[in-house]
Amino acid sequence: NAGVTQTPKFQVLKTGQSMTLQCAQDMNHNSMYWYRQDPGMGLRLIYYSASEGTTDKGEVPNGYNVSRLNKREFSLRLESAAPSQTSVYFCASTDGDRDSPLHFGNGTRLTVT
Amino acid sequence: AQRVTQPEKLLSVFKGAPVELKCNYSYSGSPELFWYVQYSRQRLQLLLRHISRESIKGFTADLNKGETSFHLKKPFAQEEDSAMYYCALYGQNFVFGPGTRLSVLP
Repeated sequence: NAGVTQTPKFQVLKTGQSMTLQCAQDMNHNSMYWYRQDPGMGLRLIYYSASEGTTDKGEVPNGYNVSRLNKREFSLRLESAAPSQTSVYFCASTDGDRDSPLHFGNGTRLTVT
Repeated sequence: AQRVTQPEKLLSVFKGAPVELKCNYSYSGSPELFWYVQYSRQRLQLLLRHISRESIKGFTADLNKGETSFHLKKPFAQEEDSAMYYCALYGQNFVFGPGTRLSVLP
């Protein structure tokens, strides 16, 4: 049981390049989330998908797009990367009940030069 | 709006000393509160949630709705408790605090 799987683990981009971070979960969870983790800022919510077919903006959505491809997969796209997007990105999922916890992936460390 | 604050960025204690990591929240509805822990080079994992009223690895947390707090406590810290701790709130979605790095000194 893999849980939440993120790819890639590491990525270096040049300013202006685009890329997609992939996330898949095998727990049949309804809700999926993307966070970025920065020193002193904690985890900030970028986008989330409460259920298949829906997506909503979080605290810091600018510069990102998401796609809930199916119930298992939730991707995060950077159309034109900027140095301010250098961060560690975490995907997480939950079954959506209020008292159900989030299950996290291992993270993607992204550097934009 | 929903918000979580953790006033201490870094907390250092000696092994065997009591630990309290503070968490305050703001949310107009009835929130669910959680504590997550991230050990070095590992993914974030659930430590405990208020609805379970459980004790995990000796840690407990009590929800105080009057003070809008959910502080994490442990009576005797161990070196293996050294990690990053995040308080989280589920209202409309999951929101995390900035985190507190706990360092337990030998």
